[in-house]
Amino acid sequence: AQKITQTQPGMFVQEKEAVTLDCTYDTSDQSYGLFWYKQPSSGEMIFLIYQGSYDEQNATEGRYSLNFQKARKSANLVISASQLGDSAMYFCAMREGGAGGTSYGKLTFGQGTILTVHP
Amino acid sequence: NAGVMQNPRHLVRRRGQEARLRCSPMKGHSHVYWYRQLPEEGLKFMVYLQKENIIDESGMPKERFSAEFPKEGPSILRIQQVVRGDSAAYFCASSPHSDNEQFFGPGTRLTVL
Repeated sequence: AQKITQTQPGMFVQEKEAVTLDCTYDTSDQSYGLFWYKQPSSGEMIFLIYQGSYDEQNATEGRYSLNFQKARKSANLVISASQLGDSAMYFCAMREGGAGGTSYGKLTFGQGTILTVHP
Repeated sequence: NAGVMQNPRHLVRRRGQEARLRCSPMKGHSHVYWYRQLPEEGLKFMVYLQKENIIDESGMPKERFSAEFPKEGPSILRIQQVVRGDSAAYFCASSPHSDNEQFFGPGTRLTVL
């Protein structure tokens, strides 16, 4: 089974509107972290937002928020007020707890969603 | 505080040659991770290192690939006898501890002719 599933290969949104990018995950660990990264056409990986499995509040960072639904194992990224510069590939990633309950850092990435923002 | 540095940014090799990719983590970061991104795919974990130690190399191909992170100097990902299938973007990431977010370098794009 895929550990991280991003079911939307491509998404389109009108400038200034909000968009939700889906991410579901699969883990048996109690302690894990979920990340979203943005990869523009220039290729670099830009960290956007992080949600820990024990965090009770949904993470927010400026125009980015993470809709964390633990029971459904989903961690969707919401981008509000889309801008043309948001056009990029977006990756969801998970870090699982290691042996002994100690998280050790390795990230597993989904296949990504290409977001295109139209003017 | 400079970010994660990788060099070269672009590397072209002929089949059978060696490729050496370098990664300098952010200041104060002792954890380094290497990932590979094949065209049109997500990143795949290769190896996790701390200073002078390989912690997890479960994502490394068994042959031709090796990684090190010496006490002094950058982390090196070495690919011997490159083949066309090694063409990819190789990203390095670093973090101060294993449970912090990872900061990525700009990547090295390897092309094997």
